[in-house]
Amino acid sequence: NAGVTQTPKFRILKIGQSMTLQCTQDMNHNYMYWYRQDPGMGLKLIYYSVGAGITDKGEVPNGYNVSRSTTEDFPLRLELAAPSQTSVYFCASIREPSTDTQYFGPGTRLTVL
Amino acid sequence: QQQVKQSPQSLIVQKGGISIINCAYENTAFDYFPWYQQFPGKGPALLIAIRPDVSEKKEGRFTISFNKSAKQFSLHIMDSQPGDSATYFCAASGGDRGSTLGRLYFGRGTQLTVWP
Repeated sequence: NAGVTQTPKFRILKIGQSMTLQCTQDMNHNYMYWYRQDPGMGLKLIYYSVGAGITDKGEVPNGYNVSRSTTEDFPLRLELAAPSQTSVYFCASIREPSTDTQYFGPGTRLTVL
Repeated sequence: QQQVKQSPQSLIVQKGGISIINCAYENTAFDYFPWYQQFPGKGPALLIAIRPDVSEKKEGRFTISFNKSAKQFSLHIMDSQPGDSATYFCAASGGDRGSTLGRLYFGRGTQLTVWP
């Protein structure tokens, strides 16, 4: 199993550009999450999904969108990039929230200039 | 509002010493308390976790102490090694719908440096 994979590893965007951060897991996990990590701030939940076709907002959803058309993939979309979205983004997944813990991908480092 | 408060922000320990990181929470409905370890350029990885029905859990050199009445929990790293140098995050899950959604609330992290 590859676990949770994320692409790209690094990206620089100009203000106003759009991009999609990809996240794929091969563990057949129903639950998937997107977090952003800012220095000294821990990880904040952006969006999550409890299964294909079901998504919901986390703590900091503004400026982002998600979709979940398959169990494996959970892409995060930035429509109009802003400097405040400069961060490291982590995708995570879990099989069952009551018994397992979250497995994290390696992260995408995004810089918006 | 920070649901989980973590201290200290940074910690320097001599090799062989004990590293102690503390966390506090307010939501009494939290029922799962993991600690994550993160090395530079990597994603967080689960280190050890505890549920509130026990007061202590030990795995090798890592121990979680849990005080339900004080709403505090801490990570102790015995015989700290240079390879333990990383950022450590405490987290909590549960509360209302949280336990069915698996969402985690993270502390702000502690950067641990172990000098050889």
